[in-house]
Amino acid sequence: DQQVKQNSPSLSVQEGRISILNCDYTNSMFDYFLWYKKYPAEGPTFLISISSIKDKNEDGRFTVFLNKSAKHLSLHIVPSQPGDSAVYFCAASGPDSGAGSYQLTFGKGTKLSVIP
Amino acid sequence: NAGVTQTPKFQVLKTGQSMTLQCAQDMNHEYMSWYRQDPGMGLRLIHYSVGAGITDQGEVPNGYNVSRSTTEDFPLRLLSAAPSQTSVYFCASKQDRADDNEKLFFGSGTQLSVL
Repeated sequence: DQQVKQNSPSLSVQEGRISILNCDYTNSMFDYFLWYKKYPAEGPTFLISISSIKDKNEDGRFTVFLNKSAKHLSLHIVPSQPGDSAVYFCAASGPDSGAGSYQLTFGKGTKLSVIP
Repeated sequence: NAGVTQTPKFQVLKTGQSMTLQCAQDMNHEYMSWYRQDPGMGLRLIHYSVGAGITDQGEVPNGYNVSRSTTEDFPLRLLSAAPSQTSVYFCASKQDRADDNEKLFFGSGTQLSVL
């Protein structure tokens, strides 16, 4: 049973507009969440993270929102740029994650395409 | 600035063959791990290590062995390859397992095909 879910396999957005990528989780023990970005033929790279004690974290054009009661987080990219086109993975960790204590559990990823 | 280096980048095996995927990091990270990425499955943890001489199983360890004799290296061994092990394999490392704020640094991956 997948504990981190990214239900949208793909998303297309016009350049300059906002991109919103969503992630849901089922394990209430998760207390730290991260987003990774992956270009083709490269490894994932860390983008932004948030602790469960916060509901928002911002880094430049990227903002992550956490709604613990809904077990939902989202990544906002404003404004979107063509170079943001990549696969975005949501990940979570906690004392009792599916992969082991404090090991990262990843979602399936969402492919973002930013159209010039 | 090498970071996490994986070799080879591509490999084709026949069923039953064995091989070792190499991973080395030059950041003096204590924690290292192996993930596999399959279409529609995301990244799944195979094995991880919190320091030299210490390894543990992740979510999908069957069919794989690991060892950690040095801080720098964390090889992944397939003793008898199966078509189900066709995947892209990523090695990753971070500074301190106990610090949840530490992000993983990933290698560029090894694409493995088992015929």
